[in-house]
Amino acid sequence: GDSVTQMEGPVTLSEEAFLTINCTYTATGYPSLFWYVQYPGEGLQLLLKATKADDKGSNKGFEATYRKETTSFHLEKGSVQVSDSAVYFCALIDNDMRFGAGTRLTVKP
Amino acid sequence: DVKVTQSSRYLVKRTGEKVFLECVQDMDHENMFWYRQDPGLGLRLIYFSYDVKMKEKGDIPEGYSVSREKKERFSLILESASTNQTSMYLCASSFAVGPRYTFGSGTRLTVV
Repeated sequence: GDSVTQMEGPVTLSEEAFLTINCTYTATGYPSLFWYVQYPGEGLQLLLKATKADDKGSNKGFEATYRKETTSFHLEKGSVQVSDSAVYFCALIDNDMRFGAGTRLTVKP
Repeated sequence: DVKVTQSSRYLVKRTGEKVFLECVQDMDHENMFWYRQDPGLGLRLIYFSYDVKMKEKGDIPEGYSVSREKKERFSLILESASTNQTSMYLCASSFAVGPRYTFGSGTRLTVV
């Protein structure tokens, strides 16, 4: 069945560091891919999405490119801020929605 | 903006109690979902509903039931709460067509 695998956390970075959170997927069809963010004490919010191969989703300085050849959708940000501290979930929709296990990011000043 | 409202942020219940978690959305979404979120396991789908009075089992339905009597409300029921149901519960909704889900803020349930 469909599945999402993302890098285990926690990830701790200093402010202004470069961020990469890896995400790979397995799907039988042509899924849409998503990154959700969960700030402390809140539900999940859609961060960005891509619906077909080679699409790049971007929002709030975060980017991810849908790579069909490597079945990947890695999340990147060039310069993280303390306010980016959260849990990040990679997800796909094919026949239904599947989530990765989540990666906790802590950014220190 | 779509709002998905979960009635409680924190709940503490005793083993064996019947527990109701309520979720209401205000944008006429057809689909509604209940997930539980556990460290290292991500989100796992418990039940979902594509229409009023319609329900489908997700990946981990055991020990849970649901009710959808009105389009805007989707209730998760723990018939007899157990300690292994201590978790964060997230409700979500979406239109029938289109991939965008909107999540509620979550209910952290502790069963003692």
